[in-house]
Amino acid sequence: GNSVTQMEGPVTLSEEAFLTINCTYTATGYPSLFWYVQYPGEGLQLLLKATKADDKGSNKGFEATYRKETTSFHLEKGSVQVSDSAVYFCALILMDTGRRALTFGSGTRLQVQP
Amino acid sequence: DTAVSQTPKYLVTQMGNDKSIKCEQNLGHDTMYWYKQDSKKFLKIMFSYNNKELIINETVPNRFSPKSPDKAHLNLHINSLELGDSAVYFCASRQSLYNEQFFGPGTRLTVL
Repeated sequence: GNSVTQMEGPVTLSEEAFLTINCTYTATGYPSLFWYVQYPGEGLQLLLKATKADDKGSNKGFEATYRKETTSFHLEKGSVQVSDSAVYFCALILMDTGRRALTFGSGTRLQVQP
Repeated sequence: DTAVSQTPKYLVTQMGNDKSIKCEQNLGHDTMYWYKQDSKKFLKIMFSYNNKELIINETVPNRFSPKSPDKAHLNLHINSLELGDSAVYFCASRQSLYNEQFFGPGTRLTVL
């Protein structure tokens, strides 16, 4: 089956620190990969995505590279801000099946302290 | 200009009651979803409709019944509510051939 594994949180960082949230996946086909972010009390927003190997998704200073050889899609940001405090979800979807529903990781809570 | 909207935002009810959650999208998408987020933030697909046809029906108790009156709406009706149904329910939509899903703000259901 398909699954996504994320590092457990919470991750607590000081402002301007470097962020890495690890994400690895298993999939029966060739997935598209996503990072979603959930701010406190809100719904999910798409942060970035990548649809094929070696693609790099980027948005708001966050980046993630689709690594097929290591089945990974780690999220990075060079300098976090307090406003980045949220829960981050790694997810995959298989577009070559009729299913086309997101499979999510368990989420990683990021807390950024001033 | 809300893209995916859900009502109500909060729902508090007693065990055994029947309740509905509504979802509407104005993006012109043809595929809609219901996801459940439990107390540990874990998200799981429940149902999906494409052009009003049910295409995903996960292992969900048959007390849960989705209904799609048209492409822009997907409602979720829950019978005989149980404590374990307490969760946040998210609606999402997608246009066929594209992989990005747009999520609603969620409905927090609390069963007492």
